[in-house]
Amino acid sequence: DTGVSQDPRHKITKRGQNVTFRCDPISEHNRLYWYRQTLGQGPEFLTYFQNEAQLEKSRLLSDRFSAERPKGSFSTLEIQRTEQGDSAMYLCASSPAGSLGRYGYTFGSGTRLTVV
Amino acid sequence: QKEVEQDPGPLSVPEGAIVSLNCTYSNSAFQYFMWYRQYSRKGPELLMYTYSSGNKEDGRFTAQVDKSSKYISLFIRDSQPSDSATYLCAMSASSGGSRLTFGEGTQLTVNP
Repeated sequence: DTGVSQDPRHKITKRGQNVTFRCDPISEHNRLYWYRQTLGQGPEFLTYFQNEAQLEKSRLLSDRFSAERPKGSFSTLEIQRTEQGDSAMYLCASSPAGSLGRYGYTFGSGTRLTVV
Repeated sequence: QKEVEQDPGPLSVPEGAIVSLNCTYSNSAFQYFMWYRQYSRKGPELLMYTYSSGNKEDGRFTAQVDKSSKYISLFIRDSQPSDSATYLCAMSASSGGSRLTFGEGTQLTVNP
């Protein structure tokens, strides 16, 4: 297992289109997180899963955003009716439960979304 | 007001210099403090972790937390060109793996 994998690395879409990103966490990690990072800013929390259960959602996650982790393994993040303000890097991270201090998160390299 | 404030820089230093990076925060519930390093077009990677107040040293890196002042620092000794990256502070109220709150990052360049 080589770490957290995100696909695609880059996505350019027209305003109003729907996009879906995939994240494959480290296999033994049962927690999975999505963050959004805009240029010159730190990552902002969007949502997190423990196994297949979505346990917390940020107010940043508008109705146009939905995340799933159907079998407690990979996760998808969908953005419907994209807007130019959705242009950002979408980062996925995973961790074993209860290990924030010892291991922190392992982040993927992100999916860079550009809405034109 | 943001919960975590970090001087965005950019910061440029000569090789071998001591670098000091700092964050302040307003949420007194934060107990877990981390520093992440992010290279261009990569995700952040964990550098240092500290629980509550105190110091922690790992090689050339030292993390300090002063909860009474709501202030954390990362020191890099004998800085190297390979240390050139964006450094992000991050904090959490829980060890149970919920959300991290990040600073905006400080861009560091170490010149050979």
